Amino acid sequence: ETGVTQSPTHLIKTRGQQVTLRCSSQSGHNTVSWYQQALGQGPQFIFQYYREEENGRGNFPPRFSGLQFPNYSSELNVNALELDDSALYLCASSAQAGVTDTQYFGPGTRLTVL
Amino acid sequence: AQSVTQLDSQVPVFEEAPVELRCNYSSSVSVYLFWYVQYPNQGLQLLLKYLSGSTLVKGINGFEAEFNKSQTSFHLRKPSVHISDTAEYFCAVIAPGWETSGSRLTFGEGTQLTVNP
Repeated sequence: ETGVTQSPTHLIKTRGQQVTLRCSSQSGHNTVSWYQQALGQGPQFIFQYYREEENGRGNFPPRFSGLQFPNYSSELNVNALELDDSALYLCASSAQAGVTDTQYFGPGTRLTVL
Repeated sequence: AQSVTQLDSQVPVFEEAPVELRCNYSSSVSVYLFWYVQYPNQGLQLLLKYLSGSTLVKGINGFEAEFNKSQTSFHLRKPSVHISDTAEYFCAVIAPGWETSGSRLTFGEGTQLTVNP
């Protein structure tokens, strides 16, 4: 059984650019959550997708957007990058969107904005 | 809003010593509680979770945690640590209302556990 995978591993962008991060969920999982982890801090919830629909959003501006595809993989898009967007972006998948469904995390994408 | 406070940012211990990593949460209603571990350059791995029932929860790698509702705490313990336990540990909660707001995890700032030989 393949775990949660994310691509790319590392990414360097300049301020104002746009970026797309990708996540493949674990087999059989229909829910994907995205988190931003700034250096030295705990992860912050960005949003969650359940069966291709957004199912909750954290305190992030609209330039953070996402998609979930029919195979339940997901993308995180960030427009107009700012220096403060530099962080580790974590994707987590779960079997369902319930509180009892464990979220399994991928290794993350390290984004650096110069 | 829910919040989680991890009382120690760094905890150094010697190998085979016991350890306790402290976590307090703020909530006037029931929450669901989790401990995750993050090894260098890796994602997070679930150690254990409390949803209901027995207040003493056992997890993987010999860790356990005790839910204390009156003190709003969920401290993580291990009776004897190994070098391989060196990692960042995160306490997290899922708040009520998750049915409509997404089962979002709210994390603490993390505790770096360093096990020395």
